[in-house]
Amino acid sequence: SYELTQPPSVSVSPGQTASITCSGDKLGAKYAYWYLQKPGQSPVLVIYQDNQRPSGIPERFSGSNSGNTATLTISGTQAMDEADYYCQAWDSSTVVFGGGTKLTVL
Amino acid sequence: QVQLQESGPGLVKPSQTLSLTCTVSGASISSGVYYWSWIRQPAGKGLEWIGRIYSSGSINYNPSLKSRVTISVDTSKDQFSLKLSSVTAADTAVYYCARAVGGMRNNYYYYYMDVWGKGTTVTVSS
Repeated sequence: SYELTQPPSVSVSPGQTASITCSGDKLGAKYAYWYLQKPGQSPVLVIYQDNQRPSGIPERFSGSNSGNTATLTISGTQAMDEADYYCQAWDSSTVVFGGGTKLTVL
Repeated sequence: QVQLQESGPGLVKPSQTLSLTCTVSGASISSGVYYWSWIRQPAGKGLEWIGRIYSSGSINYNPSLKSRVTISVDTSKDQFSLKLSSVTAADTAVYYCARAVGGMRNNYYYYYMDVWGKGTTVTVSS
């Protein structure tokens, strides 16, 4: 079965750029998606089809996907961006999630 | 604005069947534009996709749960449902329903969940 791998944790200082990676075999040949989830809340879609932002998602969120790695980049990270982030792909008629990355804004 | 709300028992005994319903408001399941999915999340762990259904009745399940899962839709009530049989403590989780978008773009298939319910906690315990 297809697997997506994320680092368990990433730390960033306020105002700096945070990058969260998601690795999977030939992931660049699929679309990648990103969700953020704050404690006690439902996941929220922040990037779809590699680099598209849903309405209402701040411009500081961006995405890329090439080769075996998709990357979520948060520019000018704010304290409110502290959350768990999950990548997602579609493979063999199923949704696959990465294990999640806890972003800490120090 | 579309909203999804999960409902069902919060406590299920081991070996029994977990049954949940998701009620959709602000949109019609029978519109044929969206898919409707179930996802779960054990406490402190990551997301696990359970399966999806289309208004036509087309269904896909997570292979790891396929033998125990049934997803159905009632378009007359704008509801879709989840049944998970022979539950164990490992099925204890927050269960989310979600609206999903799927199709083809640039020769790639896309599928993602754009609207989620608030989730409901199901505990499997005697």
